Amino acid sequence: QKEVEQNSGPLSVPEGAIASLNCTYSDRGSQSFFWYRQYSGKSPELIMFIYSNGDKEDGRFTAQLNKASQYVSLLIRDSQPSDSATYLCAVNRGGSARQLTFGSGTQLTVLP
Amino acid sequence: NAGVTQTPKFRILKIGQSMTLQCAQDMNHNYMYWYRQDPGMGLKLIYYSVGAGITDKGEVPNGYNVSRSTTEDFPLRLELAAPSQTSVYFCASSYGLGTGVYNEQFFGPGTRLTVL
Repeated sequence: QKEVEQNSGPLSVPEGAIASLNCTYSDRGSQSFFWYRQYSGKSPELIMFIYSNGDKEDGRFTAQLNKASQYVSLLIRDSQPSDSATYLCAVNRGGSARQLTFGSGTQLTVLP
Repeated sequence: NAGVTQTPKFRILKIGQSMTLQCAQDMNHNYMYWYRQDPGMGLKLIYYSVGAGITDKGEVPNGYNVSRSTTEDFPLRLELAAPSQTSVYFCASSYGLGTGVYNEQFFGPGTRLTVL
C-alpha cells in the first residue's frame, strides 16, 4: 500500500462546476496535510493545509479531513480554466525532520 | 526576497559525468530539502537538512550527496550520472519551528536534468 494515494485522473469538469480531489494515507500518526497545485513545467505551490478533523475553507477552496478514515479531500467550487493543473496531496507524519510524503498527484482539467 | 533559487534551470549530462545542483534561500529557514520528480509522479525526497552541518538521507539517496555549510545554501552533488537520474529536481525550505503540526515548504523553480 502506498503511503499517500491519489487518483491519478485525469479529472475533467466543466467551468463553474465543483471539482473534488481525494487522497488517502496509511500512517495513522500523520499530523498535518497539505494540498499543492503544480502547473505544467512549474514548481508546486501551497494552496491549503489542514490539521484538524472537519472542513477548512479558503475562498473557492475547501479542504476536508477525516482522520478516522485516513482521508483528506480538496473541493474547488466554481472551477475556472485557470484551475487546470496537477494537485499534489502531501502528508506530514510528524517527527523532527518535518518531512512531507507526497502522493503522485491528480491532473485536473477545467473545460471552458 | 528571492525565496528559493536554483541553478541551473536545465542541464544535459553524459553518463558518468558529475555535477552540482545549487540551491539557496534567503528566508532564514532552518530546514531544506531536495526532491526529484519523474514524469507523472509525485515528489520523492532525496536528502534533507535541519540546519547547517546536519544532513540526512531521504527516500532515494543513492547516487547523490549533499552538504550544508551555511543556513542559506544546500547544494546537491550527482556523482557518476546515470540515465535513471534523468528527472526534475526541486529544492525546498521551511521554518521548521513550532510544534511541527504544520510546516509549509517553499519550492524553488526546479532543475531539469537529462542524462544521456
